[in-house]
Amino acid sequence: QVQLQESGPGLVKPSQTLSLTCTVSSGSVNSGSYSWGWIRQPAGKGLEWIGRLFPGGGTKYNPSLKSRATISVDTSKNQFFLTLSSVTAADTAVYYCARWARLGFFDYWGQGTLVAVSS
Amino acid sequence: SYELSQPPSVSVSPGQTANITCSGVELGDKYACWYQQRPGQSPVVVIFQDTKRPSGIPERFSGSNSGNTATLTISGTQAMDEGDYFCQAWDTNTIVFGGGTKLTVL
Repeated sequence: QVQLQESGPGLVKPSQTLSLTCTVSSGSVNSGSYSWGWIRQPAGKGLEWIGRLFPGGGTKYNPSLKSRATISVDTSKNQFFLTLSSVTAADTAVYYCARWARLGFFDYWGQGTLVAVSS
Repeated sequence: SYELSQPPSVSVSPGQTANITCSGVELGDKYACWYQQRPGQSPVVVIFQDTKRPSGIPERFSGSNSGNTATLTISGTQAMDEGDYFCQAWDTNTIVFGGGTKLTVL
């Protein structure tokens, strides 16, 4: 059973960069059969797709984030990463990493990590 | 940008049928899926590719998608089905979630 675990600072100051790590176990981020994604959820609100990492390293992002998001990967550590620059209070949310199945849905999710943006 | 709309809330009596809708322009031309999210937990897919149930999801969950509307139907709703439900659609460039529907079993 694939497991994903998010990690990173729980508090980031406004205008700084948010950095999160997703560690994958019992599965490979290098698998050609799956891609990997980041999703966030402000408290009491809905899910927002942030971006997706494709096999081979290509990426796609939600245009609403205006190029502030970057997803990268370290296959040697079986981890992928999210950086979000120039954060504001509106970026406060639970951030999830998840595996994207070819059938068109996220089939495995991490438990989520709360990131607050505050001075 | 593509948008999906859901009713904020749906209420149903135990044992009755709950229908949760998801609307988007020509949504029927895309595949839709549905996630259930209980408080404090990560989302879990209950329907994918419009109508398919992952293993372990009860048969009372079913889905349809045609025209501009996808529908999640829960037959014989149980108290354990309470939670938030999100629809999701995708194409090669983007993944979109609906705003979510809070299902209350009264």
